[in-house]
Amino acid sequence: ILNVEQSPQSLHVQEGDSTNFTCSFPSSNFYALHWYRWETAKSPEALFVMTLNGDEKKKGRISATLNTKEGYSYLYIKGSQPEDSATYLCAFPGGYQKVTFGTGTKLQVIP
Amino acid sequence: DVKVTQSSRYLVKRTGEKVFLECVQDMDHENMFWYRQDPGLGLRLIYFSYDVKMKEKGDIPEGYSVSREKKERFSLILESASTNQTSMYLCASSVDSFGEQYFGPGTRLTVT
Repeated sequence: ILNVEQSPQSLHVQEGDSTNFTCSFPSSNFYALHWYRWETAKSPEALFVMTLNGDEKKKGRISATLNTKEGYSYLYIKGSQPEDSATYLCAFPGGYQKVTFGTGTKLQVIP
Repeated sequence: DVKVTQSSRYLVKRTGEKVFLECVQDMDHENMFWYRQDPGLGLRLIYFSYDVKMKEKGDIPEGYSVSREKKERFSLILESASTNQTSMYLCASSVDSFGEQYFGPGTRLTVT
């Protein structure tokens, strides 16, 4: 089983604060790294698919960076809003068709 | 609009029953996955399939089997349900091994 770790496990921030969290993954045999947002009572939805070292992707107030050499990715949320409250998952396709998910970071944005 | 559907949102079964969870995708995706989600444990892969009639064990296959007779349909089977299989089950599909996954709405299974 591949080791994909996310930190912190949970986070409470005030509306308007910026925040970030981490996903670490095996640095060898890298193919891609996915970020998903999972809102309560909904299905996980992909935010980003990252494939290149140094990749930086952005969607609105959310952005992500990737360092494949050291095996980590950061997700940033600028000016958090209550609708950003969700669990954020990273996923590592480790070859052999298999994908390993981290346990997620649960974000609560307090109005 | 891409879509993954699951046969039931909520299911209650008795210990020892045979349980079928169905998943259908309309995106012509090669890969399909079954996960279970439990508090504090994240999404754990049960089985996946990369082609019709092909299946591979994930991280927690014990007590489960799968069937993929058609490209669009991937079934998860609990041969004899047990209380420790009470969980949320999520199906997903992807175009290939490295592409993003599209998830169904989930089935919350309770085994009593």
